[in-house]
Amino acid sequence: NAGVTQTPKFRVLKTGQSMTLLCAQDMNHEYMYWYRQDPGMGLRLIHYSVGEGTTAKGEVPDGYNVSRLKKQNFLLGLESAAPSQTSVYFCASSSVGTGRRDTQYFGPGTRLTVL
Amino acid sequence: LAKTTQPISMDSYEGQEVNITCSHNNIATNDYITWYQQFPSQGPRFIIQGYKTKVTNEVASLFIPADRKSSTLSLPRVSLSDTAVYYCLVVISGGYQKVTFGTGTKLQVIP
Repeated sequence: NAGVTQTPKFRVLKTGQSMTLLCAQDMNHEYMYWYRQDPGMGLRLIHYSVGEGTTAKGEVPDGYNVSRLKKQNFLLGLESAAPSQTSVYFCASSSVGTGRRDTQYFGPGTRLTVL
Repeated sequence: LAKTTQPISMDSYEGQEVNITCSHNNIATNDYITWYQQFPSQGPRFIIQGYKTKVTNEVASLFIPADRKSSTLSLPRVSLSDTAVYYCLVVISGGYQKVTFGTGTKLQVIP
């Protein structure tokens, strides 16, 4: 039981390049989330999904797209990377939904640098 | 978006009790308050969750006043391994997209 895994762990991009971050969970959770964490800013929600085939915007969705084609996977895409997207990205999953009597399980993070 | 605020940092000696407060004025009516612990280069890890009054588990207690506009995480008898950043997580009124982590409190435990 691996929990939540993220691929890759590190990546360096040039401005304008694109990439996809992959999140996978093996706990059969319905809800999945993508956060970014910047120094002094805590974690901010980018996008989330309440089930396979669904996605929705969080607090800071601009510049990102997501897809949830399979229940266990949640992909975060950057179509044209910008230096402002340099951050650590965390994926999380939960069975019920944040705020309800439930727990989010987090992956180890992806450290992305955009030059 | 109303911020969910915490003290930036706290220092404590080993063996002492530590209390960290989170202010969340606009918390959604029916949602729980959750606290997480984060070590460097790791994702946050669940500590404790509650809706009102007091909740206790094997590692912490959580105190929530009747108005639910704040919550206090209490760590009894901290050790060096409790040095970490602590976050509260709430849903702010205004829709599901208002999942909001607190600003985080860096706890340094001193020998």
